[in-house]
Order: sequence, then structure tokens, then C-alpha cells
Amino acid sequence: EAQVTQNPRYLITVTGKKLTVTCSQNMNHEYMSWYRQDPGLGLRQIYYSMNVEVTDKGDVPEGYKVSRKEKRNFPLILESPSPNQTSLYFCASSLSTGFAYEQYFGPGTRLTVT
Amino acid sequence: DAKTTQPNSMESNEEEPVHLPCNHSTISGTDYIHWYRQLPSQGPEYVIHGLTSNVNNRMASLAIAEDRKSSTLILHRATLRDAAVYYCILRDGGNRDDKIIFGKGTRLHILP
Repeated sequence: EAQVTQNPRYLITVTGKKLTVTCSQNMNHEYMSWYRQDPGLGLRQIYYSMNVEVTDKGDVPEGYKVSRKEKRNFPLILESPSPNQTSLYFCASSLSTGFAYEQYFGPGTRLTVT
Repeated sequence: DAKTTQPNSMESNEEEPVHLPCNHSTISGTDYIHWYRQLPSQGPEYVIHGLTSNVNNRMASLAIAEDRKSSTLILHRATLRDAAVYYCILRDGGNRDDKIIFGKGTRLHILP
């Protein structure tokens, strides 16, 4: 089944403790992206990747890192999480960049930083 | 800032058509119009996209204004399962820098 998976689905952590949220897709997609969703602010793009070893900042990249060493994986790294990073995170992928390709979203990871 | 403007919320009766508007007055010639929706407690899902012509698929229809500065997502016969937040976004087909800006979307309420 074609899908985007994220792990963990739920995470509670403390300020400053490094964490990684994994994202994997099995569709051989070139484009992958991370979003955060907060009440009243909608979906905001954090980082995106147009292919292996190619990443770029979205609208809200501060406090996050990403890497794209393999086509299928696009982990989101929080080196020193803070409470303002408490949010619902979505990973997405699409066949390629641009216009005609739909994005497939993962189920979401709910992160709480205390 | 979002490149699109949508009403915060709309209501419709079950089994009636729903027209969800989106304004994108600064759209460029290479921008495609995409619609996504997000059901409660789920990730967003693709609905439809188009460039200039009206488009139909099994989920919905997309009507694009002649000047492309606005578009309308049409759900032909709304059901309770269509209650969701609907997002209209632009994706640049001519620019390799593919940042995506979602905006806050329209929360659609379906009345039984």
C-alpha cells in the first residue's frame, strides 16, 4: 500500500532533549516536506526536499533540522526542543516538485514539549 | 503570507451542492491551483487541481475564473463525511523552488 509513515505518532518530551521524528515513503517520490499545524495558524511548511541531498527552508524553519540521505526517508530533528515547538507535525511527499503532483500526507505526530 | 484567501467557515445542508471560493489575485501564469481537505484527526488529503480549464474528478469539480484570479471548489452533493477544513493553495509549475504556503483554509460544516 502506498503510504507515508511517521514515527512516533505521539511524543511527550522535556525542553532541551534532542529528538528525531522519522518520515518514510514507499512511493519513490522525489519531493518531501514537513509541516506543523497549530490552532488558528493552519499548516505551515518547515522544510522541504526536492531530492536526495537537496533541502530548503520553508516558512518556519527556526529550531529544526532535516536531512535527506536516502530518497525514502526525511527525518525531522529538533536539537533542543522548546515548549513553542509543541505542535502537530505532518510529513508529506509527492512524485516530483511542482504543479501537477499531489502531495500525500502522513498521519501526523503530536509533539508536546514541557 | 498565504497567496490565497478563503472564508474562515461555511455551512451547507446535507445532500446539497457546496461552492467553496478561493481568491488568488496575485496568481502567476505558471501557478497551478490545488485543493486539499483535512478531515478531523487526519492528515490533509488531495482533492483536485487545475491550471486554466475547469476540472472534474470523482471527489469534486474545480471551476477556475477566466482571469484565474479566483476559483471555486464544488462538491456536488455534500455528505456528513465532507465536513472538513478545505485548503486552496498555489503551486508554481515554472519555478524549481517549490515552497508551499497553505493558509488557514475554510472549515466546512454540514448540517444533517
